[in-house]
Amino acid sequence: KNEVEQSPQNLTAQEGEFITINCSYSVGISALHWLQQHPGGGIVSLFMLSSGKKKHGRLIATINIQEKHSSLHITASHPRDSAVYICAVRSWQRGGSEKLVFGKGTKLTVNP
Amino acid sequence: EPEVTQTPSHQVTQMGQEVILRCVPISNHLYFYWYRQILGQKVEFLVSFYNNEISEKSEIFDDQFSVERPDGSNFTLKIRSTKLEDSAMYFCASSPTGAREQYFGPGTRLTVT
Repeated sequence: KNEVEQSPQNLTAQEGEFITINCSYSVGISALHWLQQHPGGGIVSLFMLSSGKKKHGRLIATINIQEKHSSLHITASHPRDSAVYICAVRSWQRGGSEKLVFGKGTKLTVNP
Repeated sequence: EPEVTQTPSHQVTQMGQEVILRCVPISNHLYFYWYRQILGQKVEFLVSFYNNEISEKSEIFDDQFSVERPDGSNFTLKIRSTKLEDSAMYFCASSPTGAREQYFGPGTRLTVT
């Protein structure tokens, strides 16, 4: 079983639609990251959160620690939002160190 | 804005050859990471590095792999004897502390033939 599960795997939307991408995890974490991977492969960090909610422009990320669940929302989606959105959790390891564990990503396509 | 850089952008090598992938992290960052992404698959953690030593490594990071920070600016990943299955995109990342966001480089695509 994957430690980080994302849904949906693929998502197609029309420009202007409200988008929600979900992430569930099964391990103890200290933080959760939402990342954006462009078609060319580059990865950009969107959010890092350990509780509550963060907003940046049209992007909103929420996390519920008790339910081990996070959502990424995009309001008023635009074709330039088309990318793969990746959830990654910072997971505790034996010995006190941490590492990022990644979900498989959600491929978002926003059509004009 | 400062950014993580990686060279080369694409490396083609023959099976059994050694490769060194280079990264220049953001200058005031203290934590450094290597990840890989096999085509069509998820990103996987390889290794984290802090204070000139490995702080965590995955089961992928076996004796064929090593990391080094040779001169205070570069952070390198060496694969001693490449295998076909090492073909992947390799991402370097850095962070000011272990608890902050990581900044990713553009990646090096390694093709082993």
